[in-house]
Amino acid sequence: QQPVQSPQAVILREGEDAVINCSSSKALYSVHWYRQKHGEAPVFLMILLKGGEQKGHEKISASFNEKKQQSSLYLTASQLSYSGTYFCGTDGGTGNQFYFGTGTSLTVIP
Amino acid sequence: EAGVAQSPRYKIIEKRQSVAFWCNPISGHATLYWYQQILGQGPKLLIQFQNNGVVDDSQLPKDRFSAERLKGVDSTLKIQPAKLEDSAVYLCASSPGLPSYNEQFFGPGTRLTVL
Repeated sequence: QQPVQSPQAVILREGEDAVINCSSSKALYSVHWYRQKHGEAPVFLMILLKGGEQKGHEKISASFNEKKQQSSLYLTASQLSYSGTYFCGTDGGTGNQFYFGTGTSLTVIP
Repeated sequence: EAGVAQSPRYKIIEKRQSVAFWCNPISGHATLYWYQQILGQGPKLLIQFQNNGVVDDSQLPKDRFSAERLKGVDSTLKIQPAKLEDSAVYLCASSPGLPSYNEQFFGPGTRLTVL
């Protein structure tokens, strides 16, 4: 039931792009994305809702394929501040539990 | 706007002892979550409250963990007795409503070490 993320880890140079994927075995109503820096709490990035609505930071983009129960987070022109662990969170709707994914460690180097 | 407050920030106890954590959510937030995050893993939802009612506690080890939300505001999470595998960061989060539509705001967490 825990969503699976890929890749597990990625190292980028500043300015490069990355895609982080999240896949669930259950039908989804919404997908959340959070970033957690070492020793800190997770910070919200974006929510993608069934039907196409999105809420989140302007500089972050993501997609949600409801039929495939998958979401992808797109990080473009990466900056050093993008380093951290990215988690997706999945919600199956009312009465269903919220699950965080397995996590993707992103390191941006100069 | 004040964020989610948690205390204590750090706690070291011996196995079989008891421990309690406190969380004060953002004012007006109806939904409160307790997560357990073991080093290197994603947060695992232990319990979710909607106002002062429990929405989900399916992953809460009820033989040793208990939680309550007082008057739909503050919450406490208790472990009695603690085991070595309970060593983790315990995160409290709150949101204006259910997770389907609302971002979660996290507190700084309590790092528990069980010796």
